[in-house]
Amino acid sequence: AQKITQTQPGMFVQEKEAVTLDCTYDTSDPSYGLFWYKQPSSGEMIFLIYQGSYDQQNATEGRYSLNFQKARKSANLVISASQLGDSAMYFCAMSPPGRSNYKLTFGKGTLLTVNP
Amino acid sequence: NAGVMQNPRHLVRRRGQEARLRCSPMKGHSHVYWYRQLPEEGLKFMVYLQKENIIDESGMPKERFSAEFPKEGPSILRIQQVVRGDSAAYFCASSLGVKADTQYFGPGTRLTVL
Repeated sequence: AQKITQTQPGMFVQEKEAVTLDCTYDTSDPSYGLFWYKQPSSGEMIFLIYQGSYDQQNATEGRYSLNFQKARKSANLVISASQLGDSAMYFCAMSPPGRSNYKLTFGKGTLLTVNP
Repeated sequence: NAGVMQNPRHLVRRRGQEARLRCSPMKGHSHVYWYRQLPEEGLKFMVYLQKENIIDESGMPKERFSAEFPKEGPSILRIQQVVRGDSAAYFCASSLGVKADTQYFGPGTRLTVL
């Protein structure tokens, strides 16, 4: 079974600074996908970034980058130049390999607050 | 270019009533997934449907819950005889193909059971 752990219930960051949100995972499968989603106070789930387990490079999408350390089973999200609009819950998620790769497993989330 | 639509956004039911949650996938998407988010938890997979077929319902409670995705119209998640523990946010996602990186989520329906 797959498991996602987000150990930071809440994080604070000053506007314009960078912040790292931690995510560790547990799986015995060699092939998997890792995702980060943002959930603002309005409640919708917004896809941010994806990393495949065999991808050689760390994924980047604008101000978001995924620090993928396979040996440590970690997939931390780095947000550069934080903005007030980044204040939200952030969820790390994982997909299994093969025919069930649609079945995402989510962590409990980290509440990020960006201070002006 | 509408995204995934869910309605209602908020639903209040008394214990024992039925709840019907609707999801219209993105245009052209024929794969629908339902997830449940309990308070202070991450989302948990419930069911995966294609048009007129339930593909995987391994995450759905065996009793009181059912889902359908008819040939015409939205996907429906139905909860019969709701209990307080059913209070949660229910999210629908859709995809063009069967790949997790292309799942697009709707805004969710927040169910409150009194």
